[in-house]
Amino acid sequence: EVQLVESGGASVQPGGSLRLSCTASGFTLISYWMHWVRQAPGKGLVWVSHINSDGDDIDYADSVKGRFTISRDNAKNTLYLQMTDLRVEDTAVYFCGSGRYYPMSWGQGTLVIVSS
Amino acid sequence: QLVLTQSPSASASLGASVRLTCTLSSGHNRYAIAWHQQQPEKGPRYLMKVNSDGSYSKGDGIPDRFSGASSGPERDLIISSLQSEDEADYYCQAWGTGIPVFGGGTKLTVL
Repeated sequence: EVQLVESGGASVQPGGSLRLSCTASGFTLISYWMHWVRQAPGKGLVWVSHINSDGDDIDYADSVKGRFTISRDNAKNTLYLQMTDLRVEDTAVYFCGSGRYYPMSWGQGTLVIVSS
Repeated sequence: QLVLTQSPSASASLGASVRLTCTLSSGHNRYAIAWHQQQPEKGPRYLMKVNSDGSYSKGDGIPDRFSGASSGPERDLIISSLQSEDEADYYCQAWGTGIPVFGGGTKLTVL
């Protein structure tokens, strides 16, 4: 069964850092573009970042550019999102998804709360 | 700039059919879109891709009750024989200028 599992969400203070992980089972990440998408409480889905299979094509939403870093370790079958200088408005459930233009497999999400 | 517009809510009776629409912004009539379903407290689930010519391709395990259609800037998700588990949020998504763009979502209530 194809499955993506996110982890690493926590409650942090503004200005803090977190690293989210997304581990794949049932398939190998190496062949796939990967995305991070977030959902603030009661709101819709918003794309955050993506990375291609080789790791050399990366992009970020303007709201996180310069603060978040996406990376992948194909040997560990894991995608990461390093988040620094966190802001209250980064509070959301973070989902990872696999697929070039359209995420076709999704995880269940991990909750990040940024609050003082 | 690509913008996807969805009605915030829709409702239909158990066993009935419903059509959810995603409207592409001006100048983007030929774009394909994807539909994703998000049941309460769950992660999204990819349903299908809908092309500008009305053809569509579904994800693995998506029931026959789900189909797609297209007309001009509108991309539709059609759900027939509504079941209680179809009560969910539905998001359309397209590939904009190098990045994914999501619509605001439609909350479907099954009466």
